[in-house]
Amino acid sequence: GEQVEQRPPHLSVREGDSAIIICTYTDSATAYFSWYKQEAGAGLQLLMSVLSNVDRKEEQGLTVLLNKKDKRLSLNLTAAHPGDSAVYFCAVGTGGYKVVFGSGTRLLVSP
Amino acid sequence: GALVYQYPRRTICKSGTSMRMECQAVGFQATSVAWYRQSPQKTFELIALSTVNSAIKYEQNFTQEKFPISHPNLSFSSMTVLNAYLEDRGLYLCGARDDRGNTGQLYFGEGSKLTVL
Repeated sequence: GEQVEQRPPHLSVREGDSAIIICTYTDSATAYFSWYKQEAGAGLQLLMSVLSNVDRKEEQGLTVLLNKKDKRLSLNLTAAHPGDSAVYFCAVGTGGYKVVFGSGTRLLVSP
Repeated sequence: GALVYQYPRRTICKSGTSMRMECQAVGFQATSVAWYRQSPQKTFELIALSTVNSAIKYEQNFTQEKFPISHPNLSFSSMTVLNAYLEDRGLYLCGARDDRGNTGQLYFGEGSKLTVL
């Protein structure tokens, strides 16, 4: 079945810096890709989703890159601020009903 | 827009008792509902996938006897954690799929947090 690896597990950046989180997956049939944010004690907040026919998507300071050849998905938070501090998860699926999550990245943005 | 509500948001139960959680889809037809558990400091683990008019499929290490699921219509699903013990604590997340599109996008609720004493 699908295997997803997410790195780094912890990431500390200063306010205004960029933060990059990467996920790699194994199933070439993977068709959709999502990034979620989980704040302390809360559920999942969808940040962005892309389909397999999209290589790059930008929204509100977030950039998602998809490299299908390398089976790599990345999330880039440009100009991070303290409110971005949270745990971030990638989630991938093949277009069926099963979604596999990455292990999470705990991001800390210091002033 | 598509929304998913989960209830209750938080529950504290005694060891050996049971806890039922509900998932309500609003604004779309939830033909499939996936239940996940996030144990403390862990990622999200799929418990089972429920599709209307089909058998519920449980993942390895999860059983119907322990986590019975009901999915009676296109807007509602419930799951019970029977005889909850310490290892069952965590955040239980419901994800419902919008059947109108073909993106496979799951919409998640805020989760039901279970604490077992």
